[in-house]
Amino acid sequence: QVQLVQSGTEVKKPGASVRVSCKASGYIFTSYGITWVRQAPGQGLEWMGWISGYNGNTKYAQKFQDRVIMTTETATTTAYMEVRRLRSDDTAVYYCARATMQGQRGFMGRLDPWGQGTLVTVSS
Amino acid sequence: QSVLTQPPSASGTPGQRVTISCSGSSSNIGSYTVNWYQQVPGTAPKLLIYSNDQRPSGVPDRFSVSKSGRGTSASLTISGLQSEDEADYYCAAWDDSLMGVFGGGTKLTVL
Repeated sequence: QVQLVQSGTEVKKPGASVRVSCKASGYIFTSYGITWVRQAPGQGLEWMGWISGYNGNTKYAQKFQDRVIMTTETATTTAYMEVRRLRSDDTAVYYCARATMQGQRGFMGRLDPWGQGTLVTVSS
Repeated sequence: QSVLTQPPSASGTPGQRVTISCSGSSSNIGSYTVNWYQQVPGTAPKLLIYSNDQRPSGVPDRFSVSKSGRGTSASLTISGLQSEDEADYYCAAWDDSLMGVFGGGTKLTVL
């Protein structure tokens, strides 16, 4: 079955970087993109960006443009998201989701399935 | 402040019909596909409705959506409310600012 499995909980200090992985299985990795979404404690969902599984093209939300890098490793069907210069307000659960653009207008895509989420806590 | 506006809460009793609104603009809902997600607290979101009105397999037809006449708002309707429908619901769409946007989420309580 189609599945996304993310890496485990992270605790980081302000100013550090974190890299979250998202291992995909059960589908052709290069035929879909991966979208990253985060959710701060008690808050709603926030779209961070998208990466193509085919050629690595990316789209980032403007607020993350200079601190977030999304990459893929086709050989291992794994997507990665690195957040640099972490701040306390980056504390959140980070989700990856498979993005299907077919039949969709716009680059949001339909996000299905989602990974289980990775909690990143930023604290001194 | 979310680009797409949803009521923070909604409620109903078992068997009732509940509607959750999602208000946007011509820059998002008016121009792009709207998808809906369901999130049971403590779990990852799940796709509920896509391409404006399609349901993934396993999602019952008690869930339906509509768009306003002007096309800048969408609504999710749950008929025959059940206890397992208690969750947070999010609308989502692309925006002309070149990013994806979510509604702030609506917490549905089944009384």
